[in-house]
This record gives sequence, structure tokens and C-alpha cells, in this order.
Amino acid sequence: GAVVSQHPSWVICKSGTSVKIECRSLDFQATTMFWYRQFPKQSLMLMATSNEGSKATYEQGVEKDKFLINHASLTLSTLTVTSAHPEDSSFYICSASTGNIQYFGAGTRLSVL
Amino acid sequence: EDKVVQSPLSLVVHEGDTVTLNCSYEVTNFRSLLWYKQEKKAPTFLFMLTSSGIEKKSGRLSSILDKKELFSILNITATQTGDSAVYLCVLSGNTGKLIFGQGTTLQVKP
Repeated sequence: GAVVSQHPSWVICKSGTSVKIECRSLDFQATTMFWYRQFPKQSLMLMATSNEGSKATYEQGVEKDKFLINHASLTLSTLTVTSAHPEDSSFYICSASTGNIQYFGAGTRLSVL
Repeated sequence: EDKVVQSPLSLVVHEGDTVTLNCSYEVTNFRSLLWYKQEKKAPTFLFMLTSSGIEKKSGRLSSILDKKELFSILNITATQTGDSAVYLCVLSGNTGKLIFGQGTTLQVKP
């Protein structure tokens, strides 16, 4: 199957700092990528749809100024958590579609101290 | 409203048992139904189903879709401890967004 690479897999940061998470489709091009957040024992929650060359589409309740998304190329989307606070600690997962199947990155566990 | 309901929510079996996981759904514009397995990291793809009655099979796992009755099942035969995971039933509509079921947590005991 297709491979989606997500980096870093784990990050710890101080409150008030910004963290960038990268999502790459390794063997296919993705005009659309998706960013999810997952809390323990809950299902994935879609945060935003990242569109190559245009602005991301955010789900209701997700602050676009807090979670900056950039989809600069057909193989790379980034999510930047700005001025992170402890309540932003979570598991963030990206995905990209090819052939009607969404493939997920391995996820990034963010811990904000 | 589009939704996906999985049952049971959790299941404990012993190695060698066969399990059947259920998924029922409601969707305005159906494109496909997908099954994923999630262990400690992000979900890994198992099957995509688009047509009724055609069984998809991969090793000990198989799945089938009934678009008339709006459900799908995932079967795992001769379960192993490595099958322990959360199994997600996910619907894809025309928007491209995924609609997730709650997941079934499967624990396979030695």
C-alpha cells in the first residue's frame, strides 16, 4: 500500500512554544491531505482538510490561527501548533488519499509541559 | 446525518477463536466503506468495500458489504494475540471526508 510519513513521532515542548509536524506522501502525490486529532480511547476527530496550493478548510470549532496548515507541494503538508498549551497535548495524525483510500501517517504524540 | 455504528464496542476472546465485528451505517452519498486496524499508532488499512456481496479476503481476515441492509462485517478466523487492536469501520462519502465508527476493541488472550 501507499506510504505516508509523519514526523516527528513524539515531541515534548514548553508551554508557549510552537511545534511543526510534517506529513509526506512518499510514493504518490496527494492534492488533499487531512489532519486529525485523537484523544485517549476516542476515535479520530477531523481538524482540517489541507489543499495543495490553497487555504486549508477547518472543521467547526478548530482555531485556524492556532493550528496553521501549509500544503506547499503535492507530497508535503505541515501542521504548526502555535503557542502550544497543555490542553493541546494530544495525538495528531495526518492522512492522504490515493485511489479512494486514505492512508494514515504514524501519528505525532505532542506533550506540552 | 451520516453515521457509523460498530458493535460490539469491545470483545475478549482466546487464541484460535473466530470473531465477527459488525458495522452499520447511514450515509447520504456512499462512496466506499473501509476497515482499519489501530494498535498503538495510527490506523493501518485493511479493506475497502464498494460493492455488495463481494468478499474481500486477506489471510485470516475477510470482510463483506451489504448495501441494501447498510452493514458490513469483518471476520477474523484463528485469532492470534497480534490481532489485539481497535478495529475501525469508516465510511467515505462524496466529500472525501471520513466518518468513523466508535471502533471495536478486540483483545485476544493466549
